[in-house]
Amino acid sequence: GQNIDQPTEMTATEGAIVQINCTYQTSGFNGLFWYQQHAGEAPTFLSYNVLDGLEEKGRFSSFLSRSKGYSYLLLKELQMKDSASYLCAPLDSNYQLIWGAGTKLIIKP
Amino acid sequence: GAVVSQHPSRVICKSGTSVKIECRSLDFQATTMFWYRQFPKQSLMLMATSNEGSKATYEQGVEKDKFLINHASLTLSTLTVTSAHPEDSSFYICSARRLAGESYEQYFGPGTRLTVT
Repeated sequence: GQNIDQPTEMTATEGAIVQINCTYQTSGFNGLFWYQQHAGEAPTFLSYNVLDGLEEKGRFSSFLSRSKGYSYLLLKELQMKDSASYLCAPLDSNYQLIWGAGTKLIIKP
Repeated sequence: GAVVSQHPSRVICKSGTSVKIECRSLDFQATTMFWYRQFPKQSLMLMATSNEGSKATYEQGVEKDKFLINHASLTLSTLTVTSAHPEDSSFYICSARRLAGESYEQYFGPGTRLTVT
């Protein structure tokens, strides 16, 4: 079956760094997306990895290891507005996004 | 670029009535649009995938006669919740994907919060 595993909730301090891990099992693989979703809003795109390695985009970086079925999202210089849910979503063989429940990130001052 | 709009953003309707939600890609052509439902503190649940000009493909457990999807053009898809009941109250989100061959990123609309009384 298809499965996404992320921590349910994480807490971090403003200005710090946090790493959100994601392991996945899918029928086929065509890359992995990270989305941010604020409460009551639709998801917004953060990153897309299709090859192994680290992709850096400003304060956010995303890493992928296809052989391990593993990805992480790294958020630096945390700001209060980063409080949101972070969704790891791999793309399966049918190019469908597979969604987990996401990780709720709480930023404290 | 890649903006998706949804209308309405919020709707309250009485049990037994039907509600139509529109999803538009404003600045790109979307051959594929997706409809999701999300209950509080739960993950996005894909309801159906629609391709322009063809019938939607519904996920297992989603009643196609209750959730009518029409993808009439490359920029518009509609979801009609027929004979709505309180258990249909949820956050409905559409997303659109550009033409095949490009990134498979899905661009999300802002969502529609449906409350059935």
